[in-house]
Amino acid sequence: ILNVEQSPQSLHVQEGDSTNFTCSFPSSNFYALHWYRWETAKSPEALFVMTLNGDEKKKGRISATLNTKEGYSYLYIKGSQPEDSATYLCALGDGGATNKLIFGTGTLLAVQP
Amino acid sequence: KAGVTQTPRYLIKTRGQQVTLSCSPISGHRSVSWYQQTPGQGLQFLFEYFSETQRNKGNFPGRFSGRQFSNSRSEMNVSTLELGDSALYLCASSLTSGATWGTQYFGPGTRLLVL
Repeated sequence: ILNVEQSPQSLHVQEGDSTNFTCSFPSSNFYALHWYRWETAKSPEALFVMTLNGDEKKKGRISATLNTKEGYSYLYIKGSQPEDSATYLCALGDGGATNKLIFGTGTLLAVQP
Repeated sequence: KAGVTQTPRYLIKTRGQQVTLSCSPISGHRSVSWYQQTPGQGLQFLFEYFSETQRNKGNFPGRFSGRQFSNSRSEMNVSTLELGDSALYLCASSLTSGATWGTQYFGPGTRLLVL
């Protein structure tokens, strides 16, 4: 059974701080790694889909890296803003002939003005 | 382009009843997946439908079922509701199936409370 772990569970930072979270997964049979941002009462928003070892993706102040050999991905937020407050989820593609994703339990980020 | 829509957004049922939730994917998307989130748990995969066929099913009892229509809209049904079925149910749409590198777009969810 594939297991995806995220750390930390929660994080409180001040506006302007830079921060990062970790997503760990089994390194064997890797297919794809997804990052989502989920604000309260809204739909989870797709941030990145990463497939290749060494992948680096960037969207504004948010970036992510992927290491499939050691089984981890980092999500970085530069200069956090209050609107970055959300739960950040990572999910592992289960492979095979379906779109099944295996989610971690997320990192809850709170950015204090 | 309209996003993924789910109806209803909130639902209260009692134990033993059954419920049907609906998901309309983004226009042109043919795959719909369903997930359950309970307190303290990550999103758990329920099933995926593509071209009206179930492609995969998660580890849930047979009380959970679903279907997909020719216009790609999907419904999930839970029969004989239990208290533990209280959860947020999310659906996700994607262009195709068998491509876990493809972006999946989520709806806002249906929050089900079973009393």
